[in-house]
Amino acid sequence: DAGVTQSPTHLIKTRGQHVTLRCSPISGHKSVSWYQQVLGQGPQFIFQYYEKEERGRGNFPDRFSARQFPNYSSELNVNALLLGDSALYLCASSPFTTDLPGYTFGSGTRLTVV
Amino acid sequence: AQKVTQAQTEISVVEKEDVTLDCVYETRDTTYYLFWYKQPPSGELVFLIRRNSFDEQNEISGRYSWNFQKSTSSFNFTITASQVVDSAVYFCALSEADSGGYQKVTFGIGTKLQVIP
Repeated sequence: DAGVTQSPTHLIKTRGQHVTLRCSPISGHKSVSWYQQVLGQGPQFIFQYYEKEERGRGNFPDRFSARQFPNYSSELNVNALLLGDSALYLCASSPFTTDLPGYTFGSGTRLTVV
Repeated sequence: AQKVTQAQTEISVVEKEDVTLDCVYETRDTTYYLFWYKQPPSGELVFLIRRNSFDEQNEISGRYSWNFQKSTSSFNFTITASQVVDSAVYFCALSEADSGGYQKVTFGIGTKLQVIP
């Protein structure tokens, strides 16, 4: 079985631009969570989605948004990119929403904002 | 507010030595979960263990063992007879339910372990 897949693996954007990151969960998993990991720090929770609805949100500005599709894949969108948005963005999937936080992670998308 | 402290930012050991990674947490909830993850250079987070707040039994899995002590709010991780493949960043994490019943996860800053051959 395929694990959690994320695309692209690497991305370079300019300040002020918009970016879309994609995540495909493990087959059968209905919950997707997004995390931001700045270099040298632990991952920080951004969003959790379950059955296409937002179920949890971390302390991130409204520039960050996400959605989940009927096939349970998900997109994370970041508008008006800032240099500080440069990070590894991790996606995790789990079977349920009130189950434990997704503990199957993808390899991440490394975003560099210049 | 929940908080996870990993006071050791970097540890270096020689292969075959034992090493313990410390994790101290803060939470007001009585029901919570604790995790350890491994992050190799490739970047993905690899799940190692989950422990709920009502289960203080220590656990051993091969060369890995975990010591959960609620009295000191600690969840330490020991690798016995370390190997070069153990070199990675290790994260301790705490999860508790928010007002909506959904799990909110807080990660520590991570401990970078280097095992020298």
